[in-house]
Formats: sequence, structure tokens, C-alpha cells
Amino acid sequence: DADVTQTPRNRITKTGKRIMLECSQTKGHDRMYWYRQDPGLGLRLIYYSFDVKDINKGEISDGYSVSRQAQAKFSLSLESAIPNQTALYFCATSDGGARTDTQYFGPGTRLTVL
Amino acid sequence: GQNIDQPTEMTATEGAIVQINCTYQTSGFNGLFWYQQHAGEAPTFLSYNVLDGLEEKGRFSSFLSRSKGYSYLLLKELQMKDSASYLCAPGGYQKVTFGTGTKLQVIP
Repeated sequence: DADVTQTPRNRITKTGKRIMLECSQTKGHDRMYWYRQDPGLGLRLIYYSFDVKDINKGEISDGYSVSRQAQAKFSLSLESAIPNQTALYFCATSDGGARTDTQYFGPGTRLTVL
Repeated sequence: GQNIDQPTEMTATEGAIVQINCTYQTSGFNGLFWYQQHAGEAPTFLSYNVLDGLEEKGRFSSFLSRSKGYSYLLLKELQMKDSASYLCAPGGYQKVTFGTGTKLQVIP
């Protein structure tokens, strides 16, 4: 079974719609992240959370919101989707260890906004 | 802020050795990651360097010079399955910043 899962895997929506992308993990990690990936721009951090009561903005949080419902669940919402939010979205987790904070990624959600 | 520079694309022959360079400027640096990402898939962890020097892990090795803001990933005995993007990712305070990646094509 996958340690980090994302639903849906693919989504096509229309401009102005509200959508939610969900992430679940069974790794027992405290830290969770949402990234988007665009060709030529690499992975960019949207939001991150170090525990259930902690939410932090990343470099491109405008137009997005998140909810950390439990240690294992971290959801990303687009309140009113727009075409330039078309991208590949990844959730990741890490354990925040002292030596290294390796991130483990989910399989990704391909979102298309028409 | 963060500034990461790595080549956009490289091509190498099966069985050969290839070195992917990365230079970075980052605040609160605490180590450097390399990730591999096959097309359309999630990035996966390859290596982490916190001290200067070379760390070897099978066919893959990673080098770090903190004073020069420089790292490289060395892939030996290239295989076709090594065709992927390789992401340089310096770790800073509370988070990691990913470079745009080097797309490596391995040819027969």
C-alpha cells in the first residue's frame, strides 16, 4: 500500500469552481506539504504544516487554502479555480528528524482548469 | 532568498558516467538533497549531504562544498531507467527549495 495517497489523481474543472484535493499518509509523519509543479518552474511550495495546529504559507499561497484535519490528512482547496492554476500538484510528508528531513511524495494530482 | 542553478538538460550514453552540477545560494542552509523524478511521477529521495565531501550510495554519489555553494550528483554505469529529471534541493530554515531540475536522457 502507498504511504502517501492523493485523491483525485486527475481532475478537470471550470473557471470559478471550488475544488478540494486531498492527501492522506500512513507514515506517521508530523510534517505535511503541498507543492505545485509547472514545466520550467520546478516544484513550488504552496502551504506546509508541522503539526495539526500549525499552518504556514509557502511561496505561492494566493488563491489556495488548506486544512489539516488530522495528523494523517492535509487538504488543499482552490476557492475559485482559474486557468493558471492548471498544474501537477504534489503532497509530501516528512518526519522532521534532526539529521535530515527527507520528504516523501504522493503520486500527484493533475488538475486542469478550463 | 533561494537561488538554484542546474543545467536544464543532459544526454549521456548507457554504461557511461555523468555528473550533474548544482550551485545554490540559500539562507539558513542545513544540507542538500537530490531527488529523482521520472516523467509524470512523484520525486523520490536519492541523497542528502550535510557535510562537505562525497557520499557514495551504489551507482549514485553526491558531493557537497558548503563554502562554494556547490554540489554534484554522479551517476555511474548509466542504465536506460536512469532517464529522468534530477532535482537539486538545498534545505533551509523549516523547508527545502527545489531547483527546476536537470532532465537526463540516457541513449543506447
